[in-house]
Amino acid sequence: QVQLQESGPGLVKPSETLSLTCTVSGSSISSAFYWGWIRQPPGKGLEWIGSIFHVGRTYYDSSLKSRVTISMDTPNNRFSLKLRSVTAADTAVYYCARLGDRSSHFDYWGQGTLVTVSS
Amino acid sequence: QSALTQPASVSGSPGQSITISCTGTTSDVGNYNYVSWYQQHPDKAPKLIVFDVNNRPSGVSNRFSGSKSGNTASLTISGLQAEDEADYYCNSFRSDNTWVFGGGTKVTVL
Repeated sequence: QVQLQESGPGLVKPSETLSLTCTVSGSSISSAFYWGWIRQPPGKGLEWIGSIFHVGRTYYDSSLKSRVTISMDTPNNRFSLKLRSVTAADTAVYYCARLGDRSSHFDYWGQGTLVTVSS
Repeated sequence: QSALTQPASVSGSPGQSITISCTGTTSDVGNYNYVSWYQQHPDKAPKLIVFDVNNRPSGVSNRFSGSKSGNTASLTISGLQAEDEADYYCNSFRSDNTWVFGGGTKVTVL
């Protein structure tokens, strides 16, 4: 059974860096899957942030690209999200997820973690 | 990047069928069969219900079905049940190797 679990601070100050980790069990992040981050501002829809493949290939949403880095920690089977220079608009529930066969769909999701940007 | 276009809300009575549309462009929905749909109940993580336009994961009810015509994909829920009341999101792969979600549709069972 594939499981993903997000972890990280629930409160970040404006202009600082949001850092989250997704720990994966039941599937190796070194396998032939992409892994991604998605967020959902309160009361709004889902927004794809970016995805990473085990060879280090990354893709990011164009509106966030200048502030985002997704990286892998293969020995610990986890991957991370860093979002720099955050503002209140970055307040959201952040989900990590696996892209399934052919990278065509997000088949496994974490439970999500709320990150609030506030001083 | 612009989100895929979905109606904000759709409603139906128990037992009826409803259809949710998802309109994109030739850079995403129109050129790839990598359209998926997700169901999200309040305060829960999204759940995959349809992938590759018209395939269902194991365990998902066959009351959910997907289709596509041109730049528009659709999700049909037949035999509407109270438990189907939720938010629904479409997603597509894009030609620039990114993924994009629709704005979401709130389904209400009357």
